[in-house]
Amino acid sequence: QVTLKESGPGILQPSQTLSLTCTFSGFSLSTYGMGVGWIRQPSGKGLEWLANIWWDDDKYYNPSLKNRLTISKDTSNNQAFLKITNVDTADTATYYCARIEGIVGNYFDYWGQGVMVTVSS
Amino acid sequence: DIQMTQSPASLSASLEEIVTITCQASQDIGNWLAWYQQKPGKSPQLLIYGATSLADGVPSRFSGSRSGTQYSLKISRLQVEDIGIYYCLQAYSAPYTFGAGTKLELK
Repeated sequence: QVTLKESGPGILQPSQTLSLTCTFSGFSLSTYGMGVGWIRQPSGKGLEWLANIWWDDDKYYNPSLKNRLTISKDTSNNQAFLKITNVDTADTATYYCARIEGIVGNYFDYWGQGVMVTVSS
Repeated sequence: DIQMTQSPASLSASLEEIVTITCQASQDIGNWLAWYQQKPGKSPQLLIYGATSLADGVPSRFSGSRSGTQYSLKISRLQVEDIGIYYCLQAYSAPYTFGAGTKLELK
């Protein structure tokens, strides 16, 4: 059974760094073709893809966030991480991590429940 | 970036009705398209991948099709549990892009 769960600080102030953790089970990020992605959704709005990391440590980022993103993984502990530097109120959103089963295609097939992050002074 | 133009933005339909939602890609993405359903307060659920393949556990009344760079999601007989917001996703190239969503309501 594949599960993912996001965790984060809840609230942080503008200019701080947001650190998110995705803890998963039922698959391994050391398995060929596997990946984890991060997607966010401001309240009442649509979905925005942020970044992917793959089993071979290949990484892809959304260039709209202009080098503010860093994605990483800890394969032995079944975790993936996302850092967003210099946050502002526009980064207030629910953040999801999701599995990518790359053999079938680069789609997010299992999602976490999401973690709400509020940026406020 | 590849733009995904999704329509309609909202849709009101009756039970058992046929519903169709479309996404137009700004360039060729092959079959690298997925459809998701999101219910209030929940995370998105994969319905269709590869433009036409049904994800595990998804009812057969859902189907996907492609005509060139236009992709469609069809619900053959709308049920109460199908109410929610539907999104398309292009996974052809980074940055991945989602359609703006279609809010499906019951008439």
